[in-house]
Amino acid sequence: DQQVKQNSPSLSVQEGRISILNCDYTNSMFDYFLWYKKYPAEGPTFLISISSIKDKNEDGRFTVFLNKSAKHLSLHIVPSQPGDSAVYFCAASAGITGGGNKLTFGTGTQLKVEL
Amino acid sequence: DGGITQSPKYLFRKEGQNVTLSCEQNLNHDAMYWYRQDPGQGLRLIYYSQIVNDFQKGDIAEGYSVSREKKESFPLTVTSAQKNPTAFYLCASSVAGTSVTGELFFGEGSRLTVL
Repeated sequence: DQQVKQNSPSLSVQEGRISILNCDYTNSMFDYFLWYKKYPAEGPTFLISISSIKDKNEDGRFTVFLNKSAKHLSLHIVPSQPGDSAVYFCAASAGITGGGNKLTFGTGTQLKVEL
Repeated sequence: DGGITQSPKYLFRKEGQNVTLSCEQNLNHDAMYWYRQDPGQGLRLIYYSQIVNDFQKGDIAEGYSVSREKKESFPLTVTSAQKNPTAFYLCASSVAGTSVTGELFFGEGSRLTVL
C-alpha cells in the first residue's frame, strides 16, 4: 500500500520555466513533509520541507505548497536550471517519535531540464 | 568533514552468500537507517536504530539483519534468505529526539548485484 504517491514518473521542462512536481499522500497522520533530490549513483540530499501547520515554505528557487484537505503537496522550481535535472522524492513523516524519524518515500519523479 | 560513509560502493555476490554492507557516520547522530531503492519503487525502509544496542524492523526486513554496537556504525547483512537482493542500498542518519526537521542525511549508497 503506497502511502506516498508521485504519479508522474518523469517531467521535462525548458530552462528558465517553472517545474511543478506533485505528491499525494493517504495517511492523515503524516504531519511533516520533505523533498529530496537524487542524482544517479548518489544518496538523496535534502531540499526543502514543510510542517503541516503551514501551507507554504519557500527557499530561494524552491517552494513547497501543502494542501492538507486534498492530502497533496507540490514542489515548484522557478526558474528551472539544467543542474536541477535529477530524481525528486517526496517523503512524509508521522512525527518525531522521541528517538528518530521514519520517513515514507514516494516513488520519485525524474525531472529533466532542457536547454 | 562530517558525513556518512558507505562501503563498498559496488559489490557482487553469488547466490547463497551472505554479504555485509558497512555504514559509518561521524555526525554524532543517534538514529540510523537502511533503505533499499529499486526502479519504480522509491526508497523502502529495511531497518532503523534509534539508539545503540537497539533496532527495529522496517517495512521490508525479511532476509536482512543489522547490529548497532557503536553509535557511529550500523552494518547491514544481506543474507541468503533475501529472495531478491540486487538493489541500491542507502544508509542514513538523523538527529533523534530534539530534532523537529525530520531530515535524514544519506550516504552515497552501495549497489549490490547478485550473480
